[in-house]
Amino acid sequence: DGGITQSPKYLFRKEGQNVTLSCEQNLNHDAMYWYRQDPGQGLRLIYYSQIVNDFQKGDIAEGYSVSREKKESFPLTVTSAQKNPTAFYLCASSIQGRDQPQHFGDGTRLSIL
Amino acid sequence: DQQVKQNSPSLSVQEGRISILNCDYTNSMFDYFLWYKKYPAEGPTFLISISSIKDKNEDGRFTVFLNKSAKHLSLHIVPSQPGDSAVYFCAASANTGGFKTIFGAGTRLFVKA
Repeated sequence: DGGITQSPKYLFRKEGQNVTLSCEQNLNHDAMYWYRQDPGQGLRLIYYSQIVNDFQKGDIAEGYSVSREKKESFPLTVTSAQKNPTAFYLCASSIQGRDQPQHFGDGTRLSIL
Repeated sequence: DQQVKQNSPSLSVQEGRISILNCDYTNSMFDYFLWYKKYPAEGPTFLISISSIKDKNEDGRFTVFLNKSAKHLSLHIVPSQPGDSAVYFCAASANTGGFKTIFGAGTRLFVKA
């Protein structure tokens, strides 16, 4: 059964620590995305990748980093430079093409201790 | 600045009636629009889309209307069912925006039995 998996569902971070959110897909999609959702706001694009070993910054990339070493995986690291990391993070994938609908994981909620 | 606006945070409708969810956009370069539906604790799922060369697209109980001159689109659900209760996100992309899709803040629909 194809899909996109985010783990963990809930994550807690201490001040000054980096934390990595996992995103894996078995849909054979080339494109993958990371979004952040805050209360009362839409999904804001952090990073996206159109193909393995390539990725681009989205609208709010500061304080985040990604890698795309495998087609199936697109992990997001929230670094200590991200001043307000508490949010709901969504990963998505799609066939290449901006008119292709994105398939989303169920998200990871990150909180600062 | 919000390029995609969903001005109604919530909407309540009686079962069997029509639900109309509205979305306004400011970027005249947007030419492809999508609606996503999100249940609690799950990621958004694609619902329906429309290209700017059309003014209407229908899929079962769901119809999206696009008014380019007004930069407005709406999602009609007829008849509404309790299972339609969810958050609905409007999204848009531009031919000049690469793979970026801009999302609205969402409208929470309550369908009362």
